Amino acid sequence: AQTVTQSQPEMSVQEAETVTLSCTYDTSENNYYLFWYKQPPSRQMILVIRQEAYKQQNATENRFSVNFQKAAKSFSLKISDSQLGDTAMYFCAFMNPQTGANNLFFGTGTRLTVIP
Amino acid sequence: DTAVSQTPKYLVTQMGNDKSIKCEQNLGHDTMYWYKQDSKKFLKIMFSYNNKELIINETVPNRFSPKSPDKAHLNLHINSLELGDSAVYFCASSHNRGTEAFFGQGTRLTVV
Repeated sequence: AQTVTQSQPEMSVQEAETVTLSCTYDTSENNYYLFWYKQPPSRQMILVIRQEAYKQQNATENRFSVNFQKAAKSFSLKISDSQLGDTAMYFCAFMNPQTGANNLFFGTGTRLTVIP
Repeated sequence: DTAVSQTPKYLVTQMGNDKSIKCEQNLGHDTMYWYKQDSKKFLKIMFSYNNKELIINETVPNRFSPKSPDKAHLNLHINSLELGDSAVYFCASSHNRGTEAFFGQGTRLTVV
């Protein structure tokens, strides 16, 4: 199984500020996919952003962007202009499409609190 | 319209009982999954089904059995429930390789 590590169990950020969540992973594959999912108190798992390993350009989705460092096996999430609604658990996830299954391997999550 | 729906949202039951959680997706996806989220929020794959065939079965007790009557449904049956089965169970689906998974709202199972 793949290993995904999120070294920050909890983080907080002031509203309107920027915060970066860290994620590293371990794989010998060259082609894979990385995701950030958000889980607010409602428990729903919501996709935030997706990155294909073969793409050098970092993915962005509005206020969310990633810093994908393939050689370092690092995939951090930057949230700009933080909003109260960003308060949630954030999970980094890895997918290896070569296995024939699309199952995700998740990190342990980072609990983010946005402070008014 | 709900893309991936699970029922029930909450399930409280006694040890030794047999229970089922239903899941339906209306996205036309090829693959469906069951994930388990434990009390520490850790998410782990349990099963995945592609075109009604089990692709992968992680080290899950055989008391757990997925049942897929058709491509849009993947139900989870649990026999002889144990205290340690208490968790949140998520159903998910995805279309092709490399595409993101869409999750249901989760079922919180509590075994007493």
